[in-house]
Amino acid sequence: EAQVTQNPRYLITVTGKKLTVTCSQNMNHEYMSWYRQDPGLGLRQIYYSMNVEVTDKGDVPEGYKVSRKEKRNFPLILESPSPNQTSLYFCASSLQRTGGGNTEAFFGQGTRLTVV
Amino acid sequence: KQEVTQIPAALSVPEGENLVLNCSFTDSAIYNLQWFRQDPGKGLTSLLLIQSSQREQTSGRLNASLDKSSGRSTLYIAASQPGDSATYLCAVSRGLGVFNKFYFGSGTKLNVKP
Repeated sequence: EAQVTQNPRYLITVTGKKLTVTCSQNMNHEYMSWYRQDPGLGLRQIYYSMNVEVTDKGDVPEGYKVSRKEKRNFPLILESPSPNQTSLYFCASSLQRTGGGNTEAFFGQGTRLTVV
Repeated sequence: KQEVTQIPAALSVPEGENLVLNCSFTDSAIYNLQWFRQDPGKGLTSLLLIQSSQREQTSGRLNASLDKSSGRSTLYIAASQPGDSATYLCAVSRGLGVFNKFYFGSGTKLNVKP
C-alpha cells in the first residue's frame, strides 16, 4: 500500500530539547516536504527536497532543519524547540515533475507536537 | 504571493443535501489544484486532483471544477451523508518551475446531520 509514514504521532517535549520527527514514503517519490498546520493559518511549507541531498527552505523554515540522505526518508529536526513550534506537522511526497504530468501529493497522518 | 481562500469556513447541512464548497486563488499561474479531506486528528486524504489543463474531475459523489482564469474551484458533494463530515482543504500548486509546492486554504468544516 502506497503511504507516507510519520513518527511519532504525538509528542510533548520541553523547550530546548532536540527532537526529530521521521518521515518515510514507499512510492519512490523524488519530492518530499514538511508542512505545519496552525488554526487560522492553514498549512504552511517548512522545507522541501527535490531529491537526495537536495533541500531548500519553504515559507517558514526558521527553527527547523531537514536532511535527505536516502530517497525514502526526510526527517524534520528541531534543534532547540520553542513553544511557538507547537503545531500539527505533516510530511508529504509526490513525483517530481518539471514540465508536465501528475504531481498529486500524498500526506502522512500528522505529528502533533507540544513544546512546553 | 499566492493566497487561497475557502468559503464558507463552516457548513452544517441535513443528510441528503447537495452542497458546494468554494475555493479561490489569487494567482492563476497554477500547475494543478487538489482537494483534500481531513478528519479530526488525522492526516490529509486526497480526494481529487485537477491539472491546470483540465476543467473538472469526478469521483463517485464528488465533482470538482476548475476555472483558472477566474481563480476559482468548486467541490460539489451530491447526496451528502454523515460520513462526509470533515474539513475539506483546497490546495494549488504553483507553476513556473516549482510544480510540487502547494498553497493551502484554511478549509471548510462540514457537518452533515443525520
